Amino acid sequence: QSVLTQPPSASGTPGQRVTISCSGSSSNIGSNFVYWYQQFPGTAPKLLIYRNNQRPSGVPDRFSGSKSGTSASLAISGLRSEDEADYFCAAWDDSLSGLVVFGGGTKLTVL
Amino acid sequence: QVQLQESGPGLVKPSETLSLTCSVSGSAISSYYWTWIRQPPGKGLEWIGYIYYNGTTRYNPSLKSRVSISVDTSKNQFSLRLSSVTAADTAVYYCARAPVAAPAAQWGWGQGTLVTVSS
Repeated sequence: QSVLTQPPSASGTPGQRVTISCSGSSSNIGSNFVYWYQQFPGTAPKLLIYRNNQRPSGVPDRFSGSKSGTSASLAISGLRSEDEADYFCAAWDDSLSGLVVFGGGTKLTVL
Repeated sequence: QVQLQESGPGLVKPSETLSLTCSVSGSAISSYYWTWIRQPPGKGLEWIGYIYYNGTTRYNPSLKSRVSISVDTSKNQFSLRLSSVTAADTAVYYCARAPVAAPAAQWGWGQGTLVTVSS
């Protein structure tokens, strides 16, 4: 059971806009930045979005992040076949002595 | 550009201790949080903990009683020890690097190493 809640799957057709949600609480998303990772099968995750909505160099602007209260979203516009991957959200959690928490991941399928 | 490489046994017997090392190149071991994260086959990511170059550590409370992370600055390496392992500890183990101001932001990752717990 992951601390952050994501839908297990999402899908879209090429060119569509898809959003993936990430729900948390006041101790994590509600008070800290949200990060998004992209992971292809058999490879390590890659940081896709940092500080809620910032893109690392090299990440297409088709990817965008947002946060409101205790929830966050990753949006992918102009969906492409190469976007098919697993997406994870993460945040620092202030509860207990502090730890990094992840969402369970969302498998994005491009139909 | 930082490069991280995990190394260690791919098979560990139940009740024994899992030991992995992460070798860092392209970056001094100082000024970052050096992190271990694991991913059971077909499942999500679990943060294990991090160490700072001065030895300060923070662990996931769910693993705290069994985990130890250490650093060897002379070798630019850091290590993970997880004791009393069970089949539930079977996972791909990743080492990663996060800035001190943002421990949830893993900007660099190793390729990961699969550790299977089985007799």
